[in-house]
Amino acid sequence: DAGVTQSPTHLIKTRGQQVTLRCSPKSGHDTVSWYQQALGQGPQFIFQYYEEEERQRGNFPDRFSGHQFPNYSSELNVNALLLGDSALYLCASSQGQVPSNQPQHFGDGTRLSIL
Amino acid sequence: DAKTTQPPSMDCAEGRAANLPCNHSTISGNEYVYWYRQIHSQGPQYIIHGLKNNETNEMASLIITEDRKSSTLILPHATLRDTAVYYCIVRLLISSGSARQLTFGSGTQLTVLP
Repeated sequence: DAGVTQSPTHLIKTRGQQVTLRCSPKSGHDTVSWYQQALGQGPQFIFQYYEEEERQRGNFPDRFSGHQFPNYSSELNVNALLLGDSALYLCASSQGQVPSNQPQHFGDGTRLSIL
Repeated sequence: DAKTTQPPSMDCAEGRAANLPCNHSTISGNEYVYWYRQIHSQGPQYIIHGLKNNETNEMASLIITEDRKSSTLILPHATLRDTAVYYCIVRLLISSGSARQLTFGSGTQLTVLP
């Protein structure tokens, strides 16, 4: 039973570029959340997708956008990259149709470095 | 979601029990307590969660005080592989639909010493 998978594992970009990160949820999960983790800090919530719609959003600018596909996989897009976007980007999946005390399961993230 | 307070770091001898405390004095009646840990260079790993009763699984035990204002995560026989940052998170339960996001604090760096 595959867990949450993310690609790529590492990525280097320059300021002003655009990036797309990908996530496949754990089998049986239909909800995907994205988090940003700066070095030495806890993960910060970006947004969550369920039924191909953005359902919740954290305090991130519109440069951060996402998409969920019919197979429940998801993409995170970041435009006009800034040096401060350098971080570990984590994807977490869960089941949306059950009561939300069910835990989220995380992938190992994509390490994004901005030069 | 209620905020949590954890010590920034703790040490534990290998083979001994590790007891990680968490204060959540503003917790409301429909908020769960979750514990995750993050080993260096990996994503957070779910450990355990509970509402008001003590919980135990193959990884750990969760003890929640009767007034629910604090909890303790217990790793009964710590190993070197348990060295990680441990996050205590309080999360609101909703009855249906999309799950609420997790709000992480700074966590506790647990170092298991040989």
